[in-house]
Amino acid sequence: GQNIDQPTEMTATEGAIVQINCTYQTSGFNGLFWYQQHAGEAPTFLSYNVLDGLEEKGRFSSFLSRSKGYSYLLLKELQMKDSASYLCAVMDSNYQLIWGAGTKLIIKP
Amino acid sequence: SQTIHQWPATLVQPVGSPLSLECTVEGTSNPNLYWYRQAAGRGLQLLFYSVGIGQISSEVPQNLSASRPQDRQFILSSKKLLLSDSGFYLCAWSVMAGDYNEQFFGPGTRLTVL
Repeated sequence: GQNIDQPTEMTATEGAIVQINCTYQTSGFNGLFWYQQHAGEAPTFLSYNVLDGLEEKGRFSSFLSRSKGYSYLLLKELQMKDSASYLCAVMDSNYQLIWGAGTKLIIKP
Repeated sequence: SQTIHQWPATLVQPVGSPLSLECTVEGTSNPNLYWYRQAAGRGLQLLFYSVGIGQISSEVPQNLSASRPQDRQFILSSKKLLLSDSGFYLCAWSVMAGDYNEQFFGPGTRLTVL
């Protein structure tokens, strides 16, 4: 079967750094996406990785290791507005997205 | 620029009543269209996707159905709602852009079945 695992909830302090991990087992791999979802709102696209390595975009970075079936999202200089759920999704061999359950990130002052 | 509309934003329906949720996309042609459901605190569950007019693929057997009467219109329906149909329904679109297939989501419809 296909499986995406990520922690259910994490807590971090404003101004700090947090790393959200995602491991996956899918039938084929055509890229990994990270989305941000604020409570009651639709997900919005953050990043895409298809090759191994780190992709940096401002305060957010995403890393991929295809051999390990592993990715992480790194958030730096945390702000209160970063409190949200972060969804990991993998595109399988049929170009369909398989979604993780999301990690709820709580930022404390 | 592309935009995606969903309505209604919230809906409260009794068990056994029908359902019709509509999604329309502007600013793009021949998009892939998706219906997802998200239960509280859970991930996204793909319900239906469509690669063209009249072409619907169902991912999960249930009492829901989908139709795509026009290129940029996607409708989710049910003849008789169940309590388990409660959730946050999201419509999304995508087009192949280079190497990947980013999905863009509508604002969602929060459905409560009582």
